[in-house]
Order: sequence, then C-alpha cells, then structure tokens
Amino acid sequence: GQNIDQPTEMTATEGAIVQINCTYQTSGFNGLFWYQQHAGEAPTFLSYNVLDGLEEKGRFSSFLSRSKGYSYLLLKELQMKDSASYLCAVRETHASGGSYIPTFGRGTSLIVHP
Amino acid sequence: EPEVTQTPSHQVTQMGQEVILRCVPISNHLYFYWYRQILGQKVEFLVSFYNNEISEKSEIFDDQFSVERPDGSNFTLKIRSTKLEDSAMYFCASSEGPGREQYFGPGTRLTVT
Repeated sequence: GQNIDQPTEMTATEGAIVQINCTYQTSGFNGLFWYQQHAGEAPTFLSYNVLDGLEEKGRFSSFLSRSKGYSYLLLKELQMKDSASYLCAVRETHASGGSYIPTFGRGTSLIVHP
Repeated sequence: EPEVTQTPSHQVTQMGQEVILRCVPISNHLYFYWYRQILGQKVEFLVSFYNNEISEKSEIFDDQFSVERPDGSNFTLKIRSTKLEDSAMYFCASSEGPGREQYFGPGTRLTVT
C-alpha cells in the first residue's frame, strides 16, 4: 500500500512562486504524477517523474527524490487561473508484477489572490 | 486537440436501479480506465482495460460493477444495482500505453437517491 501526504491548502499572491510538497511511502516506487484539478472538472496532467531530479515545463516544474520519498511541484509567475487543487499521484510496483495505476493523494487546494 | 468525452454529464437514479456511464476515449489510445471521486474526497481508481479485458481492478470494483467496449469507440461502466454511496463523479481516462500519462474525460456526476 501507499501513504501520500500533501498540505491541504496553500495561498499565494499573483506573480509569486509557490512550492507544493508531496511525501510518500511505498514499497516499490514506479513513477510520480502531478495533476491539476479545477473545482468540478477533471484532473489534467501536468508532469511525470520517475528518476531523481527536476523536470521543467514552462511555468511548472516538478522535482523528485526517490531516496527521501519526496516530490514538489513548483509554480512560477502565478496567475489567478492557477487557483485549483493539485494532485500528487504515485505508481507502485506490486510483488506480482508491474502496476500502471496511480494512487492519488487528497490534493492541495491552492488559492491565488491579487 | 483530441479529448476524452463522457455522457451523460449528470445522471440521477433511484437506489437499486442500473446505470450505464459512457465514454469515448481518444481514438489512438489503447488503455482505458475508470476512476471515481466522491465529493470532497480523493480520486480513486476503479478499473483498467486493455485488449478487451480487465487488466487491473481495485477493491471498490466489486460484482456490481462491469465494463465493456461494445464497439470500436465506446467504453462503458455499468453499475447493476446502485447504492446511495455510489453517488460520486465518475471519470473515464485513456492513455497510449500502460506507463504513459492518462487523459481524463470531463466526468459524469452520478446522484443516487
């Protein structure tokens, strides 16, 4: 099984930088995803990390440390439309073989204010 | 840009009734998934489907649930006898491969009364 922890809520100012952390415990790590979910809408894919290090994609970056069971999502130049829930999801390899199904955390609600 | 579509957007049904939720995955994707999200809670995996059979399922996906790909484009989730606790948003997703990112549909909000 997995245990995924994220802060419940964060607030930040438009134009600023915010870092959303995710820690996890798993017996067989097999990849970590970040999704964005606006209220009442479907999750949309942001990033994927399977090796240690930083993956950058425009204003969004995601970092992974497998030895620490830790990831963060970094959002730069925040815009009002970035107000949403950010979901950390971890994929785990099972003893019986690979699993490609991510287990989602409860999400971090980010509020961006002017 | 291709997208996953789902119908209906909202379904209201009485306890004990059967419902079928429909999805059209992205056309060149081969892997299909159903998730649910109870209001205010986290997204939960139900089932994955590949090559016309279930590849993985969670503990939630019990005998009252079934999935089908009746033709070359649709992917359906059937709940045989709905319960109040089945009320949730149901998301369909698809991916090109088993380890690739999953693209979610807009969801069907199921309300069981």
